[in-house]
Parts: sequence; structure tokens; C-alpha cells
Amino acid sequence: DIQMTQSPSSLSASVGDRVTITCRASQTISSFLNWYQQKPGKAPNLLIYAVSNLQSGVPPRFSGSGSGTDFTLTISSLQPEDFATYYCQQTSRNPLTFGGGTKVEIK
Amino acid sequence: QAQLVQSGAEVKQPGASVKVSCKASGYTFTTYGISWVRQAPGQGLEWMGWISSYNGDTHYPQKLQGRVTMTTDTSTTTAYMELRSLRSDDTAIYYCARAPLKWEDSPWAFDIWGQGTLVTVSS
Repeated sequence: DIQMTQSPSSLSASVGDRVTITCRASQTISSFLNWYQQKPGKAPNLLIYAVSNLQSGVPPRFSGSGSGTDFTLTISSLQPEDFATYYCQQTSRNPLTFGGGTKVEIK
Repeated sequence: QAQLVQSGAEVKQPGASVKVSCKASGYTFTTYGISWVRQAPGQGLEWMGWISSYNGDTHYPQKLQGRVTMTTDTSTTTAYMELRSLRSDDTAIYYCARAPLKWEDSPWAFDIWGQGTLVTVSS
């Protein structure tokens, strides 16, 4: 199975901060990498697909980059509604796997 | 607007089976697949498999092979996930999510999710 390792597992940041979350795959996954946001008690929500494509309706302060095994999600200016847990997901091989999540909390 | 609405919470005994439903609306059901993802309390996300709503093709992770079955009913635009031989570590919220129609499609992502169904396994 392809292991997805996210770092950090949690972070504290202030409104307006630039936040970067990294995701490393245990083997190359080309561009088969998605990012989801999950708020407490809610289903995950697709933010970015295929590394860098912004899902419809997602604010442009979210961006993704990377290739091969190393990927990043960046929030350019953190907003109050962005405090949540973020998951990366690889869709290169069965089983599809998620990272362990990064919880973004208010400083 | 496209949405997925899941059935209600279930409480099951160890060894029993559970069948969760996921009703799709607002889009053409047979032009997308459905995946299932679960989340144990306080834990991360685990993919449980995928089914094509067009021809019933399925892909499951090896870990769940033989214990999970996914089906669809195109007449009611509803997808189902049945999990058998339940154990306490199957206690989780189960989500359905809209997925690509074909396993080989690209890109692959889950763009619409159901609200989740809590399945509790306890004696």
C-alpha cells in the first residue's frame, strides 16, 4: 500500500498567516494527489484535485503544488473559516489512501 | 444541486451485517461512480471501495475483500454498502462520495459527499 505522510500533524496559526502543509507519498504517485478539508461533525470537502486544480467554489487563497512523492497545500492568508483538518489523498493505486491529517488551530 | 443523502445511524452486534444506503439526486446517476469512505471516532479517513453506477464494476481494498459488497440500484439512484462480520473496530462514520465513472478515468477525486452514517458495533 502507498503510505501518505502529512506534516505537521497539527499547527497553530493566526488569521492572515500563510500556512503550508506537506504530504509525502511512500512511492511515486505522479499527479494523483487530492486535498480535502474537514470541519468537525461534517463530511470532507474537496479543495484541490490532481495536485493543483482548484475545485469549483474553493477560494483562490488555497493552492497546491508538487510532483512524484512530495506535495504541498498552501493557504496564502488564513481566514477564520479555514480552521479545520486537512487530508491529502493518493488515487494512483488501489487501495486509495489518505494522509493522517493536519489540524489547523487558532493561535 | 447534486447531493447524496445517506440512511440513518445503526447499532449492530458483533458478527452481524449492516447495509447503508446513499440516495443520489441532482445529477445523472449513471454517469458517475460511488466510493465509500469510513472514519473511526477521532481518526482519519479510510477508503472502502468504489462502484461504477453504470455497469456495477467494483474495486475493493484487499483488507476488506470478502467482507464488503457495494451495489447500486439505477431505478432509485441509490447506492448501497454492506459490511459483514462486524467487529468493534468497524465502529465509524461511513460516508458515500461521488467518484469517477470508470476506474481508469482521470483525474480521480470525490467531489460530493453524503452526510455520513454512524455505525456502532457493540454487544
